[in-house]
Amino acid sequence: KAGVTQTPRYLIKTRGQQVTLSCSPISGHRSVSWYQQTPGQGLQFLFEYFSETQRNKGNFPGRFSGRQFSNSRSEMNVSTLELGDSALYLCASSSGTSGIPEQFFGPGTRLTVL
Amino acid sequence: AQSVAQPEDQVKVAEGNPLTVKCTYSVSGNPYLFWYVQYPNRGLQFLLKYITGDNLVKGSYGFEAEFNKSQTSFHLKKPSALVSDSALYFCAVYNAGNNRKLIWGLGTSLAVNP
Repeated sequence: KAGVTQTPRYLIKTRGQQVTLSCSPISGHRSVSWYQQTPGQGLQFLFEYFSETQRNKGNFPGRFSGRQFSNSRSEMNVSTLELGDSALYLCASSSGTSGIPEQFFGPGTRLTVL
Repeated sequence: AQSVAQPEDQVKVAEGNPLTVKCTYSVSGNPYLFWYVQYPNRGLQFLLKYITGDNLVKGSYGFEAEFNKSQTSFHLKKPSALVSDSALYFCAVYNAGNNRKLIWGLGTSLAVNP
């Protein structure tokens, strides 16, 4: 099976712009979770989507949003970018149906906000 | 509150020596515990998990972890370190009562010297 893919791998944006990141999960996986990774904060959970519905949400401002399509692909959007949004954004997929969320991660999108 | 602690930001060992990366957790109820590894510019890769049963869990790349309920710990170990084991290691805990979220440690950087 192909792994989790994320596009683009690298992005450079300026403050105030918006950005959309894409994630394609492993075939058959219906759950997609998004994380923000920064050196000082580790992995911060953004949200989880399952069958096109947001099932879980972290403590991020409303500038961070996401959606999931019928083929389980997911997008994450960040509006009005701030310097502090510079991070590695990771997407993880899981079957979403078992009780235990063993997650499979993509390589991440490195976002730099100037 | 549910939490995971990785008390060491960095661990250094010589190649061929045993290594231990520490993880302690705090959850109510039965924990499901995970270890992931992240190589530079890559996403996280699953190493092993503890769900139930034998306290010693064997995983990928020769790693193992020991679940200790009384000490609420889940330390990652390897009998003989390789230079290629140098990476960032994350411990995570899942508890079904915590809105199905994985709680992540901040990571431990492992450096194996030749």
